[in-house]
Amino acid sequence: EAGVTQFPSHSVIEKGQTVTLRCDPISGHDNLYWYRRVMGKEIKFLLHFVKESKQDESGMPNNRFLAERTGGTYSTLKVQPAELEDSGVYFCASSRHETQYFGPGTRLLVL
Amino acid sequence: DQQVKQNSPSLSVQEGRISILNCDYTNSMFDYFLWYKKYPAEGPTFLISISSIKDKNEDGRFTVFLNKSAKHLSLHIVPSQPGDSAVYFCAASARTGTYKYIFGTGTRLKVLA
Repeated sequence: EAGVTQFPSHSVIEKGQTVTLRCDPISGHDNLYWYRRVMGKEIKFLLHFVKESKQDESGMPNNRFLAERTGGTYSTLKVQPAELEDSGVYFCASSRHETQYFGPGTRLLVL
Repeated sequence: DQQVKQNSPSLSVQEGRISILNCDYTNSMFDYFLWYKKYPAEGPTFLISISSIKDKNEDGRFTVFLNKSAKHLSLHIVPSQPGDSAVYFCAASARTGTYKYIFGTGTRLKVLA
């Protein structure tokens, strides 16, 4: 069974540009989560999808971040316009029940 | 306000000995706890979990202990192996609503050969 995959693995953009991150969850997992780790600190929750519906987006930093999960399969997280403080590692996780399985992350650097 | 705390940023242990990683939490609504291991440039890998109805869960060399009254959990690795060298994250969840995880800041374990 394939694990959670994320694309791209790395992204370097300039402040003010737009970046879109993609996550493909484990097949059959209705729950999809986005997390972020900034500057080696703790991993922080961003939002949770159940199928295509946003269950909880309380962790989204501001309205520059937009997450979608059309059709309840893969998800995208768009940052527009990107700011310096958005730099970090963005993890996606999926679950069928309680235990979440994480992807390798996308390392975003905003210059 | 950090609800999950790992107060030891690093730990070094000799190969073959026991590694004990600690985690404290403040939110009494947490009822599900997990440990993840993370290697550089990889995502967190699930290790072991425990529900609040238990005080111990064991899986091979890994055992998690939960002390609800102290709001404390620990991960024991016996015997420790060099391949266990990684950053270990404690996570907690309140299983109502979203099941989102609250993570600690991690403990870097180094197992010396």
